[in-house]
Formats: sequence, C-alpha cells, structure tokens
Amino acid sequence: GQQLNQSPQSMFIQEGEDVSMNCTSSSIFNTWLWYKQEPGEGPVLLIALYKAGELTSNGRLTAQFGITRKDSFLNISASIPSDVGIYFCAGPPVVGSNYKLTFGKGTLLTVNP
Amino acid sequence: GAVVSQHPSRVICKSGTSVKIECRSLDFQATTMFWYRQFPKKSLMLMATSNEGSKATYEQGVEKDKFLINHASLTLSTLTVTSAHPEDSSFYICSAKREVTEQFFGPGTRLTVL
Repeated sequence: GQQLNQSPQSMFIQEGEDVSMNCTSSSIFNTWLWYKQEPGEGPVLLIALYKAGELTSNGRLTAQFGITRKDSFLNISASIPSDVGIYFCAGPPVVGSNYKLTFGKGTLLTVNP
Repeated sequence: GAVVSQHPSRVICKSGTSVKIECRSLDFQATTMFWYRQFPKKSLMLMATSNEGSKATYEQGVEKDKFLINHASLTLSTLTVTSAHPEDSSFYICSAKREVTEQFFGPGTRLTVL
C-alpha cells in the first residue's frame, strides 16, 4: 500500500527554536494534512493543503505542499513547551479511495523550557 | 466547529465480554466515519470505513465479525469489540469526514482487556 516517510522520527529542542519536519512519498498525493496528537488524545488537524506549491500558515505553523505532489513540510517557529506532541502527516493518496488517509509514522517533538 | 466525541474514554473489561464504543459528530453530519487503532508510540492504523446506511468496509486483516461497526445515523457510528481478549487492548480512535478530504478525530478510547 501507499506509504509516507516522515522525518525526523523525533526531535529534542530548546524553547524558542524553530522546527522543521517533512513527509515524502513514492506516489502522488492530492491532499496533505498535518495533525498533532498529544498523549491520550486523538489527532487534531493543524493545516490542510490542497494544491501543489501551496503554502499555508496557522499561527506559528507553516506547511507547504510540494511541487512534485510527493512531499510536504511543516515548520514551527519560536517553539513553546505546549508544542510538545507527535506530529503526523497524512493524506488520501488515490482519488476515489473514499478518502482513506495514509499516515506517516509521526515526529515526536520535545521542547525543553 | 468540527467536533467529534467518543464514549467511553476509558474502559476496562474482562476477557470474553463485548465492548461498545460510540463516535459522534457533534456539529456536522458525516456520511463517512473511520475507525483506527493505535498501539503505543505507533501511528494510526485504519481498521474500517463506516458508511451511513450501508455495511462497513474493513481493511485487510481486520476481522469484521470481531469488530462490528454500525453507522446508524449521520452523526453516530459504533464499534463493538466482541468477545474481547487481552490482545485487543489498544487505543481506538474514530474520525468523521466533513469536507472532501478533511477528517476530524475523536479523543480516543483506551480499551484494556483483563
């Protein structure tokens, strides 16, 4: 099946630093979604990208849909302790798949105050 | 908007019993909902797609007789784990599709089978 390669697997940063993570795929995606999951909770949608090349911001978060439609990145600027969590990229890789999402394996972010 | 609830949030049961988990979209109608399973420190694994008014579609390797899904209305889907065993212990998460590709997730249900 379709796979998303997400990196890095984990990050340990100091408060105030910027963070960058990305997802790549061997196949084309029509939509890229970025979610954040905190312990014991369900994922929360952060940013949705629908067009190749699209750059979208949500507060301190910025995500881009790669031109090749096979990759996306998420940046977090000026990190704060509450940014801690697991960040997942996801997308429905095939049109007509009833919009089933494929998830990356996640990036675990730890922010040291 | 786009709130999805799950009930219960935690459940502990004895081996052999059945457990029902509810997933509700509170402020929008969802003809399609999804059920995921997540193991510790792992990504979400899609179990099945729940379609309002029709049978659920199960992913390969998921036993449909063990994980019964009912999508009775546009705002409610239920997952019943039948004859639960310890290996069924996991974090179960539902999601509801609102727009073309946006899915909004519930807070999850932690199932522990003794």
